[in-house]
Amino acid sequence: DTGVSQDPRHKITKRGQNVTFRCDPISEHNRLYWYRQTLGQGPEFLTYFQNEAQLEKSRLLSDRFSAERPKGSFSTLEIQRTEQGDSAMYLCASSLGSATDTQYFGPGTRLTVL
Amino acid sequence: RKEVEQDPGPFNVPEGATVAFNCTYSNSASQSFFWYRQDCRKEPKLLMSVYSSGNEDGRFTAQLNRASQYISLLIRDSKLSDSATYLCVVPSIYNQGGKLIFGQGTELSVKP
Repeated sequence: DTGVSQDPRHKITKRGQNVTFRCDPISEHNRLYWYRQTLGQGPEFLTYFQNEAQLEKSRLLSDRFSAERPKGSFSTLEIQRTEQGDSAMYLCASSLGSATDTQYFGPGTRLTVL
Repeated sequence: RKEVEQDPGPFNVPEGATVAFNCTYSNSASQSFFWYRQDCRKEPKLLMSVYSSGNEDGRFTAQLNRASQYISLLIRDSKLSDSATYLCVVPSIYNQGGKLIFGQGTELSVKP
């Protein structure tokens, strides 16, 4: 399967713990996006990378959130000191290289904060 | 006003029915639009792109009304497999990043 992959698929954690998610984009896709989706809502943009450069961050991305894409390939999203309000599906998407290219989504990581 | 608004539904229709979903967007400068389909607990997948007045792909027709800032998706001869949430999507025009702005989605349930 050469689509976008995400790991883990599910994560249950206790409030206050740190969690890290990984996204592997489609090979040769330069752009990588992170979105968050809560129940009954559409996905909301968090941040995106062009190669290894993080070019935009949403105001939703508080200082407890950090994302990296160190070598321009896979990306990680870390949430520190998780809160119950962080419970959501975290979706990663990738696209070839321009803003108009189709974004292909991974299966998501479902986070539950107890 | 939200940037992209949809009727959340749910729409419950019998097989074979024709159903239409509406979506309004706030920024009159938007140039391109998408409909994504999302099955329960799965990722969104691109269904159709809309760049001009509309687009048709088999049983699916998307129409764009720029004057009213309104996009619609029409599904003819509904199948059980069409049951899903349909997301109206508008790329942000405020940067070159390609950030997508999603509506909250319209849930469709097709019954036998």
